[in-house]
Amino acid sequence: GAGVSQTPSNKVTEKGKYVELRCDPISGHTALYWYRQSLGQGPEFLIYFQGTGAADDSGLPNDRFFAVRPEGSVSTLKIQRTERGDSAVYLCASSSSRVSNTEAFFGQGTRLTVV
Amino acid sequence: SQKIEQNSEALNIQEGKTATLTCNYTNYSPAYLQWYRQDPGRGPVFLLLIRENEKEKRKERLKVTFDTTLKQSLFHITASQPADSATYLCALSSGNTGKLIFGQGTTLQVKP
Repeated sequence: GAGVSQTPSNKVTEKGKYVELRCDPISGHTALYWYRQSLGQGPEFLIYFQGTGAADDSGLPNDRFFAVRPEGSVSTLKIQRTERGDSAVYLCASSSSRVSNTEAFFGQGTRLTVV
Repeated sequence: SQKIEQNSEALNIQEGKTATLTCNYTNYSPAYLQWYRQDPGRGPVFLLLIRENEKEKRKERLKVTFDTTLKQSLFHITASQPADSATYLCALSSGNTGKLIFGQGTTLQVKP
């Protein structure tokens, strides 16, 4: 596609449930990032993939969060045993460079609401 | 710890005036600084990137300065228009990784 695509746009889940959020990056982009954004705040880094491997997962808040990118393209962010504090907009971005000397292209985000 | 601060209060200006937004940081030595625009319900959109050895960068009505001594970047929009109303985010990176650290953003409102 022309841009970064994220699905679903909105997800409402019950506390304790498992959710998966999908990101389809721009074709050919080797770098992929996940961020989380709470209301009134800037995006908070979660994890960065270069190709299939997680190059930096220092932003994942705890072991309930996990992300994969098995073929170096589509990525899935997985959250186990969701908590109300996980409610936020989850943003995915991709970039053609593995270093931050070029722009990152963001998707529209997935709004996750845990009730 | 690393800290990035942007004006937390919304900036309201009259159409045609120059908007100036501030980004200050501490405990960090970024190699690159980027500015993004974010509209409600949308992801951030890249505007400009400036390197640590550059003092100023321009693109159309936009101008960014980067002062590594003051640890500050200023973002200017000249001849502002109501369509410029949005939240503007600054983001820093060290350069050896793709990871960006964002400020909390400043909301700009341009009134006709």
